Amino acid sequence: AQSVTQPDIHITVSEGASLELRCNYSYGATPYLFWYVQSPGQGLQLLLKYFSGDTLVQGIKGFEAEFKRSQSSFNLRKPSVHWSDAAEYFCAVGLMDSSYKLIFGSGTRLLVRP
Amino acid sequence: EPEVTQTPSHQVTQMGQEVILRCVPISNHLYFYWYRQILGQKVEFLVSFYNNEISEKSEIFDDQFSVERPDGSNFTLKIRSTKLEDSAMYFCASSGDRGTGGEQYFGPGTRLTVT
Repeated sequence: AQSVTQPDIHITVSEGASLELRCNYSYGATPYLFWYVQSPGQGLQLLLKYFSGDTLVQGIKGFEAEFKRSQSSFNLRKPSVHWSDAAEYFCAVGLMDSSYKLIFGSGTRLLVRP
Repeated sequence: EPEVTQTPSHQVTQMGQEVILRCVPISNHLYFYWYRQILGQKVEFLVSFYNNEISEKSEIFDDQFSVERPDGSNFTLKIRSTKLEDSAMYFCASSGDRGTGGEQYFGPGTRLTVT
């Protein structure tokens, strides 16, 4: 069955430090991969997506992610975290079946120390 | 920038009552979805809708749930007889073009509280 694993429930980083959020997926075919961010009480905002081609994708707010097929991973990175980045981050796989539904990971809550 | 809207933002209802959650997807989108997120848990797929019919539904989406696109703009989720465990944030999403991998745009959500 398809699944998405985000092994870190919480991560705390200092403002200005680099960030990497981990995501591993299980899916039989080449997946469509997404990272969404959710601020408290808010909806889901798309940060970036991977469909094909260059395995390093750039997104909004200075985020990037790298697709590694051999590791079934799609880790999210940012070189310098800002206090406003504190939020919950969800990795998702888009299934190329009849519905193209998204399967989400359980999320990683990012806390930023001043 | 076009966006998905949802109303109400918060709905409180008593167990056994019917609720209708409303969504206005992005106007030229063709694929519509409902997801839910129980407090502190992951976002879960409920149902997808295309060409005026359900294309897929999850095991959560039982006979108490229904979806409808009553006109050219609204997309609704009805829960016929709410249960306590239906309390969650419900997100509507829409997508325009599967050629881009089905990128979905999410609304701000409706928080449903069943008492």
